[in-house]
Amino acid sequence: DTAVSQTPKYLVTQMGNDKSIKCEQNLGHDTMYWYKQDSKKFLKIMFSYNNKELIINETVPNRFSPKSPDKAHLNLHINSLELGDSAVYFCASSPNGGENQPQHFGDGTRLSIL
Amino acid sequence: DAKTTQPTSMDCAEGRAANLPCNHSTISGNEYVYWYRQIHSQGPQYIIHGLKNNETNEMASLIITEDRKSSTLILPHATLRDTAVYYCIVRAPSNTGKLIFGQGTTLQVKP
Repeated sequence: DTAVSQTPKYLVTQMGNDKSIKCEQNLGHDTMYWYKQDSKKFLKIMFSYNNKELIINETVPNRFSPKSPDKAHLNLHINSLELGDSAVYFCASSPNGGENQPQHFGDGTRLSIL
Repeated sequence: DAKTTQPTSMDCAEGRAANLPCNHSTISGNEYVYWYRQIHSQGPQYIIHGLKNNETNEMASLIITEDRKSSTLILPHATLRDTAVYYCIVRAPSNTGKLIFGQGTTLQVKP
């Protein structure tokens, strides 16, 4: 069983559309994250939720709205997609945000904006 | 969180030990050193972490200098599947848990 799974794996869409990416973890972790990896391969934290509560919001445009229906799921909805949103988005989870707790990552969603 | 400095790229012969250095001269007393790697087209993978003492697990060993200003990740017998970008991250315990990734070291294991 995949520990952190993201859907879809690939997403190709046009500028201006609204799209969602889903993430589920079956590890029983309390904390989930979204990271963005741009074309230069830099990985940057976007959001973090702990037990369905937002704890990190790293200056991300408000077109991006995370939603956590329960602690096993963290979805990312993006409105009015722009060319600059093209990237790989990674979901991750950890037991909670504290020390000594490595994060487990999904395999990413490759978003391409035409 | 303290910044880290890593070489941009390294090569290693298959079967030999790969030693990946990391400088973190501004590390604070409560900050841990974490290593992750990212194999092409996959998500980052946790390798190992430590505070002061050297650590070893089934994947690698982590050697931290006594002054904690630098560390070395050792892959004892590198294989072609170890070709990846390796990230050294320094992180303080907190309730946010965010990881700050640098550029990492691209390790190329050659036959």
